[in-house]
Amino acid sequence: QLQLQESGPGLVKPSETLSLTCTVSGDSISSSHYYWGWIRQPPGKGLEWIGSIYYSGSTYNNPSLKSRVTISVDTSKNQFSLKLNSVTAADTAVYFCARQYPGSSQPDALDYWGQGTVVTVSS
Amino acid sequence: EIVMTQSPATLSVSPGARATLSCRASQSVGSNLAWYQQKPGQAPRLLIYGASTRATGIPARFSGSGSGTEFTLTISSLQSEDFAVYYCQQFNNWPQTFGQGTKVEIK
Repeated sequence: QLQLQESGPGLVKPSETLSLTCTVSGDSISSSHYYWGWIRQPPGKGLEWIGSIYYSGSTYNNPSLKSRVTISVDTSKNQFSLKLNSVTAADTAVYFCARQYPGSSQPDALDYWGQGTVVTVSS
Repeated sequence: EIVMTQSPATLSVSPGARATLSCRASQSVGSNLAWYQQKPGQAPRLLIYGASTRATGIPARFSGSGSGTEFTLTISSLQSEDFAVYYCQQFNNWPQTFGQGTKVEIK
């Protein structure tokens, strides 16, 4: 059974870098043909796709976050990671990692999700 | 960026009744649309992809239809476990975007 688990600090100071890791078990990132994505949900609000990565390192990022996002993969640990720099209170959210189907032009449906981790940006 | 608009924002339905949720795209997304269910404190769960294909393990009472800009999620006979928030997502145009959600509540 595929499982994803987010980990990282729950509190980040404004202007600093948010760093999260997603550990995948039950499937190998490097042998599957899926993308691996990050999605966030501010308190009481809807979902926002942050970006996704393929095991080769190819990425798709949401331009709304401009150049603040870096997504990387470590196939030896079966993990992928998110870094979001220069955070503000607006980045406070539940952050989810998920597996994504490989679509025709970009990653598409998200079929397995982690439970999510709460990240608060505050001094 | 494609804007996904879901309606209604809240739908009050009696158990056993039929629920119809709508999702409209600001421009055509073909059939590149998915539906998710989210319960409080949980991650979203994939229900439908490709606009009308049920994901693995999803009961037959959930069905999706539509293409282009108009999509519908129908729950044929609401069970107690179906009261939740439902989101649509398009992945035809980059970046992929979600609707704001429809809350299905007990009437």
